[in-house]
Amino acid sequence: QKEVEQDPGPLSVPEGAIVSLNCTYSNSAFQYFMWYRQYSRKGPELLMYTYSSGNKEDGRFTAQVDKSSKYISLFIRDSQPSDSATYLCAMSGTSGTYKYIFGTGTRLKVLA
Amino acid sequence: SQTIHQWPATLVQPVGSPLSLECTVEGTSNPNLYWYRQAAGRGLQLLFYSVGIGQISSEVPQNLSASRPQDRQFILSSKKLLLSDSGFYLCAWKRDRGSHGYTFGSGTRLTVV
Repeated sequence: QKEVEQDPGPLSVPEGAIVSLNCTYSNSAFQYFMWYRQYSRKGPELLMYTYSSGNKEDGRFTAQVDKSSKYISLFIRDSQPSDSATYLCAMSGTSGTYKYIFGTGTRLKVLA
Repeated sequence: SQTIHQWPATLVQPVGSPLSLECTVEGTSNPNLYWYRQAAGRGLQLLFYSVGIGQISSEVPQNLSASRPQDRQFILSSKKLLLSDSGFYLCAWKRDRGSHGYTFGSGTRLTVV
């Protein structure tokens, strides 16, 4: 079993839809959770960072962590064609960790 | 502000040829540095990380090596490339303490033919 599982997609939605992207994980020691966005042929860029359980909102993006279920989500409101990209989750056990564990990424297509 | 530079952007190399990919970070000191490889459907695979000059930790045994000759320079090398070395190579940095998440470079698309 992989430490982090993520549906590869592709996920296609119409412009303006609410998008839900998810990751599950098996290591209960994970406390720091991140979402990255990666456009084709580019390096990933950090979108959201959360610590422990709860929600965090930044504009159209909301990150949600449910540690009891070992489940994290990224919601995108009012999705735009420019949101079309691959979204990767990442997590670690401590803030000083030298490495994060990444999901394989979900490809999102927002149709105009 | 901090910036990370990675080059070249694209590389086509024959099997058995050497490899050198370079990554530099500006605007910070003593960063943690990382080399990742991304293959389709397999996510990001950590290859090497470094917490200081001359300190390299290898995550995956293979024919690649890494070096950190200067504080903000990280080099990925191979003496003889294999077909299986093809992929998208990403350099990343993170502050030693207190920051969260990596900042990635723009990546190098390596095709071994």
